[in-house]
Amino acid sequence: EPEVTQTPSHQVTQMGQEVILRCVPISNHLYFYWYRQILGQKVEFLVSFYNNEISEKSEIFDDQFSVERPDGSNFTLKIRSTKLEDSAMYFCASKYEGYSNQPQHFGDGTRLSIL
Amino acid sequence: ILNVEQSPQSLHVQEGDSTNFTCSFPSSNFYALHWYRWETAKSPEALFVMTLNGDEKKKGRISATLNTKEGYSYLYIKGSQPEDSATYLCAFPAYGQNFVFGPGTRLSVLP
Repeated sequence: EPEVTQTPSHQVTQMGQEVILRCVPISNHLYFYWYRQILGQKVEFLVSFYNNEISEKSEIFDDQFSVERPDGSNFTLKIRSTKLEDSAMYFCASKYEGYSNQPQHFGDGTRLSIL
Repeated sequence: ILNVEQSPQSLHVQEGDSTNFTCSFPSSNFYALHWYRWETAKSPEALFVMTLNGDEKKKGRISATLNTKEGYSYLYIKGSQPEDSATYLCAFPAYGQNFVFGPGTRLSVLP
């Protein structure tokens, strides 16, 4: 069964450094998402992406964050200048159709640790 | 701000016990309610999509019901097995398509 894959599984970065988290969504999917979970808290929505542009973003997704689908297969999340509070598990998800009754398919996540 | 809650936060049951837990969500502007099973170090796995009031869905020993008027869904596990140990998340599609997640119910099934 097709899967969403994320790399790396764990990223350790110094505060203030840029980090890029990578995702390969399921190949025929059209809608892409990033979520994160800070330890002990709920999974939170960051951004959704469709037709090569951001369709929605949360308050968390400020100017330090950006997303890109550079080559038709990868979907990346960049944090420009990381802060300690960016430490979290980051999940990528994708789905084929935009309907609310379609499940999103998640990757295994990238654990980001900011020192 | 949409709020999705789940109870209990965690649950320990003996192998063979049946159990259930709850997801509560806003009853207005309902589109769907999703249940996911999430094992440690793995990706959340879609279990059910509930769309109609009174819906009941079943997959093996796991089933779910939906009450959109009062804003809750129950997940039932019959005859729990150690492999059922996981966090069970419910997710409510917000005004667009993104999910608002509940905090999850962490289930531990003791052999």
